[in-house]
Amino acid sequence: SAVISQKPSRDICQRGTSLTIQCQVDSQVTMMFWYRQQPGQSLTLIATANQGSEATYESGFVIDKFPISRPNLTFSTLTVSNMSPEDSSIYLCSVERGDGYNEQFFGPGTRLTVL
Amino acid sequence: ILNVEQSPQSLHVQEGDSTNFTCSFPSSNFYALHWYRWETAKSPEALFVMTLNGDEKKKGRISATLNTKEGYSYLYIKGSQPEDSATYLCAFIGGSGNTPLVFGKGTRLSVIA
Repeated sequence: SAVISQKPSRDICQRGTSLTIQCQVDSQVTMMFWYRQQPGQSLTLIATANQGSEATYESGFVIDKFPISRPNLTFSTLTVSNMSPEDSSIYLCSVERGDGYNEQFFGPGTRLTVL
Repeated sequence: ILNVEQSPQSLHVQEGDSTNFTCSFPSSNFYALHWYRWETAKSPEALFVMTLNGDEKKKGRISATLNTKEGYSYLYIKGSQPEDSATYLCAFIGGSGNTPLVFGKGTRLSVIA
C-alpha cells in the first residue's frame, strides 16, 4: 500500500488567484494522478504526471489552467490558476497499486472553495 | 462518452439493517470495475477490484457481485453499522485497461444508530 498526504487540506480563495496543491507519497512511483470532484459530480481525472516528462491532460483540461510539476518520484504539485467559483471542488491525487487493474491509492483531498 | 450510473444517490438506514446499491456501466469492452469507500475528510479506500463476469467478493460484512454481460454490479452491506456511513463509489475501466477510470457519482450511505 501507499500512504499519500496532501497540502492544504482545505482553502478558501478569491476569484482570479491561484492555488498550488502538494501531494507527497511515501514510496517512489512512476505515475501520479490528479482528480477533481465538483459538487454533485463524478470524480474526474485531470491529468497524469510522470516524473521527467510533461503531464498528460484529459479532454477538457489544459496546462495553462492546471499546471503540474513532478520534480521527483515521490512528489507532485497541481496549480489551479486564475480561479473562478466553478473551480470549487475536491482535488485528489492518487497512485496505482500496480496490480494491472489500475486500483488507486488516494490522498485525503484538498477541498477548495472559490469566492 | 462512457456513462457509469449509481443508484440510489443517497440512502438512510437504521443500524442493523442490510442494504444494497447498484452500479451500472457499459456492457461492452469491459476490463475491470472498482468499488471504493470514501468517508468524509478521509482518503477514498479501495474495497474491491472485480474483473470476471460472475465475480463475487467479500470483505467482512461487505460483498459485491459483478455481471459484465448486463453491465451492473451490486454492493451489499449486511447488518449496517454507523461506521459504514460513507460515500460508495464505483469506477469502470474499459478496453485493455489503458484508459482512465470512469467514476459514478456515488451512493451516500448514512447509518443511524
